[in-house]
Amino acid sequence: EPEVTQTPSHQVTQMGQEVILRCVPISNHLYFYWYRQILGQKVEFLVSFYNNEISEKSEIFDDQFSVERPDGSNFTLKIRSTKLEDSAMYFCASSEWDRGMNTEAFFGQGTRLTVV
Amino acid sequence: RKEVEQDPGPFNVPEGATVAFNCTYSNSASQSFFWYRQDCRKEPKLLMSVYSSGNEDGRFTAQLNRASQYISLLIRDSKLSDSATYLCVVRDTGRRALTFGSGTRLQVQP
Repeated sequence: EPEVTQTPSHQVTQMGQEVILRCVPISNHLYFYWYRQILGQKVEFLVSFYNNEISEKSEIFDDQFSVERPDGSNFTLKIRSTKLEDSAMYFCASSEWDRGMNTEAFFGQGTRLTVV
Repeated sequence: RKEVEQDPGPFNVPEGATVAFNCTYSNSASQSFFWYRQDCRKEPKLLMSVYSSGNEDGRFTAQLNRASQYISLLIRDSKLSDSATYLCVVRDTGRRALTFGSGTRLQVQP
């Protein structure tokens, strides 16, 4: 079964450092997403990406965040200057072309980011 | 104002029991509805989409009441493996983003 893969599974970084979280979406999917989940809290939408540009973003996705699809397979989330409150599980997801509004989003296993 | 609201639980039920979870959403423009399952420290996985007419998948039945902005999930004959957090998820018209509830934790006991 095809799956979304994320690396690394756990990243520890010092406050103020830049981090890049990597994702390989399912190969025939066209929509890509980043979500985050702070420990003990709900899953929150960050950004969606389609046709090499951001299609939607949340208030959380400020200037410290950026996304990129540097080649045909990877999808990355960069946090320029990490803060303690960026510590969370970051999930990448992908979905097919919209076959209807019930099109499923498949999630990767997540990257746990710890900012110290 | 919570966009998607769920009872956090936990619901502790014996094996074989029937359990029901409810969810309310605040945006009447919400168009797509899902139940996801999340195991501890794992990614959300789609359990089932929720259709206007209601739908069933094995032991799982989902219902949608658009007038009341209410979604339900019924699990029959609970198994130990059903122990997880169940996330109510909605997508608003014209948006790609999924809005998650905080989840309802289910613990099925032997």
